[in-house]
Amino acid sequence: DAGVIQSPRHEVTEMGQEVTLRCKPISGHDYLFWYRQTMMRGLELLIYFNNNVPIDDSGMPEDRFSAKMPNASFSTLKIQPSEPRDSAVYFCASSFRTAPYGYTFGSGTRLTVV
Amino acid sequence: SQKIEQNSEALNIQEGKTATLTCNYTNYSPAYLQWYRQDPGRGPVFLLLIRENEKEKRKERLKVTFDTTLKQSLFHITASQPADSATYLCALMNSGYSTLTFGKGTMLLVSP
Repeated sequence: DAGVIQSPRHEVTEMGQEVTLRCKPISGHDYLFWYRQTMMRGLELLIYFNNNVPIDDSGMPEDRFSAKMPNASFSTLKIQPSEPRDSAVYFCASSFRTAPYGYTFGSGTRLTVV
Repeated sequence: SQKIEQNSEALNIQEGKTATLTCNYTNYSPAYLQWYRQDPGRGPVFLLLIRENEKEKRKERLKVTFDTTLKQSLFHITASQPADSATYLCALMNSGYSTLTFGKGTMLLVSP
């Protein structure tokens, strides 16, 4: 298995532009998580899905953020419009059932909004 | 408020010594505690899980202890090697929840 695949690895965009981050979870995993990591706040959970259904999006900072999971093998996190304070590393992770089995993280997308 | 605290200062040790990292938490009732390793530019990698009713778990050179009275977990790497240099994150899952909350991690530097 290639693991959790995220794209792009790096994204530099101008303030106000729309940004779409993509994630392909491990086949057979039924949970998918989006986290954001910054030096100040560490890893923060944004949203998670179970069997493609969003369960808890209370970590999404603002309405500018949205996430979808149209099928078991693909999820997107969209920021529209982007702002400099959104600059961070965004990780997607997947797991089988819940955390007792550990999460498998992707390599992340480093987002820079200028 | 809920807190997960890991030492923000890097831990520097010599090769061959045992590294001990600490994770303290407040206002959590964790059902599980996990440790992850994160290398620069990479995502965290799952290492070990310990349940609330377990005191200790071992895997090769790694050992984790979990004291729910002290609200603390210790993570040990014995016979440390320069390749063990990384940031180590602890993560908790509360009873009745489905998600992990992470500490900010402690950087370990093992010098030859």
